[in-house]
Amino acid sequence: QVQLVQSGAEVRKPGSSVKVSCKASGGTFSNYPINWVRQAPGQGLEWMGGIIPIFGTANYAQKFQGRVTITTDESTSTAYMELSSLRSDDTAVYYCARGSWWEIQGAIYYGASDYWGQGTLVTVSS
Amino acid sequence: EIVLTQSPGTLSLSPGERATLSCRASQSVSNNYLAWYQQKSGQAPRLLIYAASSRATGIPDRFSGSGSGTDFTLTISRLEPEDFAVYYCQQYGSSPRATFGQGTKLEIK
Repeated sequence: QVQLVQSGAEVRKPGSSVKVSCKASGGTFSNYPINWVRQAPGQGLEWMGGIIPIFGTANYAQKFQGRVTITTDESTSTAYMELSSLRSDDTAVYYCARGSWWEIQGAIYYGASDYWGQGTLVTVSS
Repeated sequence: EIVLTQSPGTLSLSPGERATLSCRASQSVSNNYLAWYQQKSGQAPRLLIYAASSRATGIPDRFSGSGSGTDFTLTISRLEPEDFAVYYCQQYGSSPRATFGQGTKLEIK
């Protein structure tokens, strides 16, 4: 059974950075994309970016380009999401989620996410 | 970026009734790569439907998805008490970049 276990809640000051981890177990880590999705209090879901470990190149939503870095450590089956220049509106629950991927005519597609971490609350406050 | 608009924002129904949730895309979703998720308060989302109409593993057959192009629908044929939650659609046709709709809250009438 695939499980994604995320690191614990964080409190940060505006302007600082936070790094959230997501450790996978029960499956082949390298072959599945890991997406990061956040949810501000009382709000909807927002895709931030994703990575396929065996390729190592992350893709980001335009909104977060330059502020977010997604990486993986295949030796520990762990994915990381680092968000910098934090603002109060970055306060949210951050989820990692695993999906599938395939290639069509040279284009890589990430599929829907069928396994999710428990979420990590990041609070940005002075 | 493809924008997904879900309607209605809130749907009030009783157990046993049929629920119809809509998701409209600002442009055609490639290969109908559209998913539906259910989220209950304090929990992570749960995948219900992928590729517009395929049920995810373990999802009861009262959940069904339909549609193509820009218009998609999630139908719950007969509501159970545990179905009252928030539902999100997600497109992944512009992969690897995905977008979510704003959600529909399904509440007990």
